[in-house]
Amino acid sequence: QVQLVESGGGGVQPGRSLRLSCAASGFTFRSYTIHWVRQAPGKGLEWVAVISYDGSSKFYADSVRGRFTISRDNSKNTVYLQMNSLRREDMAIYYCARSSSYSRSSPFDMWGQGTMVTVSS
Amino acid sequence: SYVLTQPPSVSVVPGWTARITCGGNDIGTKSVQWYQQKPGQAPVLVIYYDSDRPSGIPERFSGSNSGNTATLTISRVEAGDEADYYCQVWHSNSDHYVFGTGTEVTVL
Repeated sequence: QVQLVESGGGGVQPGRSLRLSCAASGFTFRSYTIHWVRQAPGKGLEWVAVISYDGSSKFYADSVRGRFTISRDNSKNTVYLQMNSLRREDMAIYYCARSSSYSRSSPFDMWGQGTMVTVSS
Repeated sequence: SYVLTQPPSVSVVPGWTARITCGGNDIGTKSVQWYQQKPGQAPVLVIYYDSDRPSGIPERFSGSNSGNTATLTISRVEAGDEADYYCQVWHSNSDHYVFGTGTEVTVL
């Protein structure tokens, strides 16, 4: 089955850390760029980070740069998002999504179901 | 930073046409994607590269892009089209991806 499955979400206090995982199956994972996109409760979509097919290129939204780190392990068909120094405004559903590595403007043609991150004291 | 502006809401009678705009500086020079998101679900791609449709998306969904405005058009609207819709582009200047503010489509 072709899919992306996120995990690792949960409740955490402000200032603490959390690592999300995005596991892929059913397609040639190492050929695809992977993104993290989040959605705060009742709000719109916000792009968070992207990693190239081979992990050599990474970019971050200004709101998370320096606190979040994206990485991938192509041997495990998994992308990670290490989130440090979490803030209340990071509370959201986090989706991973894939895009073709052919072009930077390629669409996000598959999304996971999302994992919820709650930041509260 | 690059901003994409959408109307917060659009209401349409079943069988009529809904048009959702996405405004951005020189957006006509970029490739625009559109995503549909129903409550409690992940987004789904409905239009890519301005006007292409993924397999499985009805022909009733179409897109255009010129100047400072991209448009998603839903013809012969059905109750099942009720959802939030987001436009999206890649902003090359910053190597960032940008989503529009989102439009809630209500079928009356």
